[in-house]
Amino acid sequence: QSALTQPPSASGSPGQSVTLSCTGTSSDVGDNNYVSWYQQLSGKAPKLMIYEVTKRPAGVPDRFSGSKSGNTASLTVSGLLTEDEADYYCSSYAGNNNVLFGGGTKLTVL
Amino acid sequence: EVQLVESGGGLVQPGGSLRLSCAVSGLSISDYWMAWVRQAPGKGLEWVANIKPDGTEKFYVDSVEGRFTISKDTAKNSMYLQLDSLRGEDTAVYFCVSGKTAHFFWGQGTLVTVSS
Repeated sequence: QSALTQPPSASGSPGQSVTLSCTGTSSDVGDNNYVSWYQQLSGKAPKLMIYEVTKRPAGVPDRFSGSKSGNTASLTVSGLLTEDEADYYCSSYAGNNNVLFGGGTKLTVL
Repeated sequence: EVQLVESGGGLVQPGGSLRLSCAVSGLSISDYWMAWVRQAPGKGLEWVANIKPDGTEKFYVDSVEGRFTISKDTAKNSMYLQLDSLRGEDTAVYFCVSGKTAHFFWGQGTLVTVSS
């Protein structure tokens, strides 16, 4: 199975909104609602930001929201802060107890 | 507070073996799916293996099937990953994580370097 497809980079100015995409197939993203998003700050372990497409773990600001349409999932970050600058990875359950990750998007806050 | 602490990484020659450990506190591994995720230097994340809460079923990414073995010791609340027949492409930081379809908790990672 191939990794999910994410654009390598994205950017936005403080206060703006940015949407990151994650494209899979009908066998993974399009097949279930087990899409997650992770934020990885430089040199740190990833942190879960969104799970089951739209849910936020406790402590994650509501500026982060998730959605899905067909085989593509999206993460929207509203009211960008400089501290949001990080790598963002999506993942999806792909059946047969396998999980696929995307290649990651580097978000730059200009 | 949930903590996952990996250990056991290091430098190993191609064809060699390592055993990674993950000590868990604040969460009973007998109640949760647990997994290993790795990240090659400068690259993205890759799911490696997971294990059912009761330890009866284990699953692996194709590239490590037959070479890596995931296990757990509920008495020690710890998880392990035995890495055999290591290859250069196995060089990565290995993270211990909780959960099956979403990984709520992560360790800090342990670096495995496969090189002669």
